[in-house]
Amino acid sequence: GQSLEQPSEVTAVEGAIVQINCTYQTSGFYGLSWYQQHDGGAPTFLSYNGLDGLEETGRFSSFLSRSDSYGYLLLQELQMKDSASYFCAVRDDDKIIFGKGTRLHILP
Amino acid sequence: ETGVTQTPRHLVMGMTNKKSLKCEQHLGHNAMYWYKQSAKKPLELMFVYSLEERVENNSVPSRFSPECPNSSHLFLHLHTLQPEDSALYLCASSQTQGTGANVLTFGAGSRLTVL
Repeated sequence: GQSLEQPSEVTAVEGAIVQINCTYQTSGFYGLSWYQQHDGGAPTFLSYNGLDGLEETGRFSSFLSRSDSYGYLLLQELQMKDSASYFCAVRDDDKIIFGKGTRLHILP
Repeated sequence: ETGVTQTPRHLVMGMTNKKSLKCEQHLGHNAMYWYKQSAKKPLELMFVYSLEERVENNSVPSRFSPECPNSSHLFLHLHTLQPEDSALYLCASSQTQGTGANVLTFGAGSRLTVL
């Protein structure tokens, strides 16, 4: 079957760094992406990894290890506005499959 | 108008009604998707259209019927739904090749309540 596993909740302090992990098991793999969704809003694209290694976009970075079927999203200098749900997603041929999401709580 | 637009934003229907959700994208994308988001199964893929051809059905009940008349428009026809079908229905689009095939742009969603 196809599955993406990520923690259901993570809590961190404002200004700190947090890492959200994602492991996947899919029949095909064409890339790992990350999306952010605020309450009441639609998911928005954050980052994509097609090859192994680290991709950096401002305060957000994403990492992929295809041999380990593993990736993570790293959020630095956390701000209160980063409180949201974060989803990892894998493209498997024509499908994009999402994990169940990680709810990030940020404490002041 | 840019991005992905979904209408209606909210819909309440009885189990015997027939209604349709509409999605329109102005991004020049060639793939469009319907996702169902509920508390039990976040972001569950329902249908995928690539170059106006349906390529993925994901075993969705026949009471949901998609239609893609062209690469910019996508519909989800609803008929004799069940209360457990109440959810947020999200439309998304992407390119079909390259890095852009991994970047979904979502609409704001249609919140469906089945009484």
